[in-house]
Amino acid sequence: KAGVTQTPRYLIKTRGQQVTLSCSPISGHRSVSWYQQTPGQGLQFLFEYFSETQRNKGNFPGRFSGRQFSNSRSEMNVSTLELGDSALYLCASSLEPRDSEAFFGQGTRLTVV
Amino acid sequence: QKEVEQNSGPLSVPEGAIASLNCTYSDRVSQSFFWYRQYSGKSPELIMSIYSNGDKEDGRFTAQLNKASQYVSLLIRDSQPSDSATYLCAVIMNSGGYQKVTFGTGTKLQVIP
Repeated sequence: KAGVTQTPRYLIKTRGQQVTLSCSPISGHRSVSWYQQTPGQGLQFLFEYFSETQRNKGNFPGRFSGRQFSNSRSEMNVSTLELGDSALYLCASSLEPRDSEAFFGQGTRLTVV
Repeated sequence: QKEVEQNSGPLSVPEGAIASLNCTYSDRVSQSFFWYRQYSGKSPELIMSIYSNGDKEDGRFTAQLNKASQYVSLLIRDSQPSDSATYLCAVIMNSGGYQKVTFGTGTKLQVIP
């Protein structure tokens, strides 16, 4: 079966702009989590969605938001982009929240200039 | 003190040896622990989860958990060059009423043929 699909794979944006990233989970998976990965900070948890509801969140400012649709697809939005938002954004899907079997997508590489 | 700490490495071991990767965490009440492997340029993949004190074995991998010492480790027996990757320790922690997944910055493992 198809894996976790993230689009786009690469993105270049200017400071102050906003961006929307998309994640399609594995068929049948209802939980989607988002992460930011940078060389300096490592992998940091952004938020988790299940059944269209945010279940958990990390310590990121309100500029970072997300949502989940009825088909479990999820989007993440970052408004008023800053240079420090340049990172690899990963989403992971699982059947249920905190399920041990979580699968990551290939990520979206965001560069803010 | 970082919430999840790992030695960044690189940890170099000869082919066929045992690689020992260590992780300490700060939240005494954490109950769920995971090890992920991330090859360069790829997304993380789950290799082990552990929830109870003691050892959990899966093929060449053994996860060890000691909640009293707030310590979790991953042993890789008969290390192969294909095991060369960054290994991420992840812990589920409670924060402000939410559960968040906190990753260590990873240990880079190099298996020398």
